[in-house]
Amino acid sequence: NAGVTQTPKFQVLKTGQSMTLQCAQDMNHNSMYWYRQDPGMGLRLIYYSASEGTTDKGEVPNGYNVSRLNKREFSLRLESAAPSQTSVYFCASSASGGGQPQHFGDGTRLSIL
Amino acid sequence: KNQVEQSPQSLIILEGKNCTLQCNYTVSPFSNLRWYKQDTGRGPVSLTIMTFSENTKSNGRYTATLDADTKQSSLHITASQLSDSASYICVVSPRSGGYNKLIFGAGTRLAVHP
Repeated sequence: NAGVTQTPKFQVLKTGQSMTLQCAQDMNHNSMYWYRQDPGMGLRLIYYSASEGTTDKGEVPNGYNVSRLNKREFSLRLESAAPSQTSVYFCASSASGGGQPQHFGDGTRLSIL
Repeated sequence: KNQVEQSPQSLIILEGKNCTLQCNYTVSPFSNLRWYKQDTGRGPVSLTIMTFSENTKSNGRYTATLDADTKQSSLHITASQLSDSASYICVVSPRSGGYNKLIFGAGTRLAVHP
């Protein structure tokens, strides 16, 4: 079972560049999430999607956009990357619409110079 | 402000020893409290989840306890193994606000040495 798959695993960007982080789950889960993890801080929710076709802002949405392409895929886009967005990004999913994240991907390590 | 604080920040123990990690929270009321294990370079994996009415929950060598009166939870690891080296994250879900209001602690980094 692949679970939650994130691509790429690592990426280095220059300030102002754009990028899309990809996430796919093969568990037929309804809800999907994007978090960022910074040193010394807990995970913070960027955006979530309770079901296919819906997306909502989390705690730190500024500078990001998301697309729930279908039930399997949930992408995160940085339109104009800033050094403050250097972080590790995790995608997660859960079976129930509105449930807590059950499965996490292994993260995308993003550095913005 | 709702907070979740974990201690210690980091801990080194010898293989075979026991250890206890602490989680203090100010979230009230809350629905449940979950402990995750996060290996280096991997995503968090759920170890235990307790509702506000539960006092203890075990998962193999991992035992989580909850004291709702003092707003404290602990994760006890018995007979540690090298594979226990990881970060352990405490997460509290407020009763109001839904899943998008989960509050994550910063984690305790555990190193188990041979």
